[in-house]
Amino acid sequence: EIVLTQSPATLSLSPGERATLSCRASQSVSSYLAWYQQKPGQAPRLLIYDASNRATGIPARFSGSGSGTHFTLTISSLEPEDFAIYYCQQRSNWPQVTFGPGTKVDIK
Amino acid sequence: QVQLVESGGGVVQPGRSLRLSCAASGFTFSSYGMHWVRQAPGKGLQWVAVIANDGRDKKYADSVKGRLTISRDNPKNTLYLQMNSLRAEDTAVYYCARDAKLGAAIYHFDHWGQGTLVTVSS
Repeated sequence: EIVLTQSPATLSLSPGERATLSCRASQSVSSYLAWYQQKPGQAPRLLIYDASNRATGIPARFSGSGSGTHFTLTISSLEPEDFAIYYCQQRSNWPQVTFGPGTKVDIK
Repeated sequence: QVQLVESGGGVVQPGRSLRLSCAASGFTFSSYGMHWVRQAPGKGLQWVAVIANDGRDKKYADSVKGRLTISRDNPKNTLYLQMNSLRAEDTAVYYCARDAKLGAAIYHFDHWGQGTLVTVSS
């Protein structure tokens, strides 16, 4: 099983600040990594797929980068609605896809 | 717009069965692979199962193989999850999710339902 590790566990920032979230894989997943946002009581929402491709309707302030074992989700300037939990997910060794444990972005 | 609406959750005793449904609308259901993903209370996400757009191919997480069965009825635009021999560790919100790619599944999920809670408890 490919294990994904996300850091930090919690990121405390103010609106307008830049957020940088990390996801590391226990072995290479090439570019087969996605990022999701989840707010309390809601389903996850796809933000980025295949490491760097924004999903339909996702604002340009969200960007993804990386390949192999190290990936980054960047939110260039936090909006109030961006405070949420963010999960990474790999599909490299489908069907045994796995998610990371999440990074919570909360208001400082 | 794409809509996925799950139903069928509830409280069930260990060892019993439950069937979840997911009604799809707003897209050509028969053109997409479909998945079930679950989330235990206060925990992260776990992929459960996938079914190909034509229903012929199905894959499962190791933890549910032999107990959970995914199926679909394309004329009815409905996805199912038959859950047998339920265990306490199956307690979770179950989401149905559409695969992000038309045709062959790529195991990224671009639309999700609101989820249905399954609680396994005596």
